[in-house]
Amino acid sequence: DAKTTQPNSMESNEEEPVHLPCNHSTISGTDYIHWYRQLPSQGPEYVIHGLTSNVNNRMASLAIAEDRKSSTLILHRATLRDAAVYYCILREDKIIFGKGTRLHILP
Amino acid sequence: DTGVSQDPRHKITKRGQNVTFRCDPISEHNRLYWYRQTLGQGPEFLTYFQNEAQLEKSRLLSDRFSAERPKGSFSTLEIQRTEQGDSAMYLCASSLELATNEKLFFGSGTQLSVL
Repeated sequence: DAKTTQPNSMESNEEEPVHLPCNHSTISGTDYIHWYRQLPSQGPEYVIHGLTSNVNNRMASLAIAEDRKSSTLILHRATLRDAAVYYCILREDKIIFGKGTRLHILP
Repeated sequence: DTGVSQDPRHKITKRGQNVTFRCDPISEHNRLYWYRQTLGQGPEFLTYFQNEAQLEKSRLLSDRFSAERPKGSFSTLEIQRTEQGDSAMYLCASSLELATNEKLFFGSGTQLSVL
């Protein structure tokens, strides 16, 4: 079973920031937090990952709570192309996906 | 880097037939994963390889499913005596596993329809 919980769906307006939450209360000290997203009719693609510190890359930012029991993926300026299912995952030898959050972007 | 390649993209078969899918990972990636995904669900883990060794197989996977990675490069997933419940997207992913924080690269999947 997935070790993370996420809202089933979220909506955001185009060109506004989006904060996608994830709870992982059973995280261990060595688990990395990974985020992937899946666009329609495609395989998942990597977005970002982190261990303890907040992380930024060209796609998104990852904010990790101090106790590491939750994290937030931040899309700074959502576009229609960001409409996808976003998966928050604790990285182990095998990656176990939950149902993710379906993000709808409103024009 | 040509990405993870899966073949075929689509497969339609009749119930009871055998099917085989192929996955070509990114060159030099030592880990290879197979997942299955049905509509509205996240990808479900099936099995994974470290080089040619199959390290884990989901207990949900019936004996009709078998996967190989004979030379540690490409992999095949075979389903024998297909059933309608096998209809799904079959995804392959690979990673260069030097540590447990490596990202996975996914192919576009093989869509299987069992009639």
